[in-house]
Amino acid sequence: AQTVTQSQPEMSVQEAETVTLSCTYDTSESDYYLFWYKQPPSRQMILVIRQEAYKQQNATENRFSVNFQKAAKSFSLKISDSQLGDAAMYFCAYRSARGGYQKVTFGTGTKLQVIP
Amino acid sequence: NAGVTQTPKFQVLKTGQSMTLQCAQDMNHEYMSWYRQDPGMGLRLIHYSVGAGITDQGEVPNGYNVSRSTTEDFPLRLLSAAPSQTSVYFCASRRQSWGTQYFGPGTRLLVL
Repeated sequence: AQTVTQSQPEMSVQEAETVTLSCTYDTSESDYYLFWYKQPPSRQMILVIRQEAYKQQNATENRFSVNFQKAAKSFSLKISDSQLGDAAMYFCAYRSARGGYQKVTFGTGTKLQVIP
Repeated sequence: NAGVTQTPKFQVLKTGQSMTLQCAQDMNHEYMSWYRQDPGMGLRLIHYSVGAGITDQGEVPNGYNVSRSTTEDFPLRLLSAAPSQTSVYFCASRRQSWGTQYFGPGTRLLVL
């Protein structure tokens, strides 16, 4: 069974600085998707970024980028120029790319505090 | 496009009561899922559906029922509420296996 581990329950960053959230996963599959979701106090789950395992290039979305290390099974999220609105819970998630319904496995989350 | 909608936003139940959490999506997505979120844990899958008339169990299905009579709607029924079902419930949908999953705003449930 796949597992997703987020070893940092809480992190903090100064506004305008850069922060990296860690995520490791365990799988025996070669084709899969990885995600980072943001959950602000409103509780809405918002997709931040998505990475396909077959792509060597790291995904980027504006100030958000990932460092995908397939051999190490590591998938970290870098937030550049942190803003107060980035304060939230961040969840790393995994999903197999096999056909049919594949469940999404979530990590336990990292709470990010942004200090003004 | 409203996306994924859920009602109610918040509900208080007494032990033993039953209720239905509503979920609807207007994106014509085939796959729909119900998750629960508890403190210190990620989201856990309760039930899912791959199309109208087809449902299956996830990781934590006990105490919950689902049905999918239309593509748009996927209600979650609590048969006899227990305090252990106090949680935040999320509905999600996506277009088949490769699609991005979209979440509803969540329903906070308190069982006394």
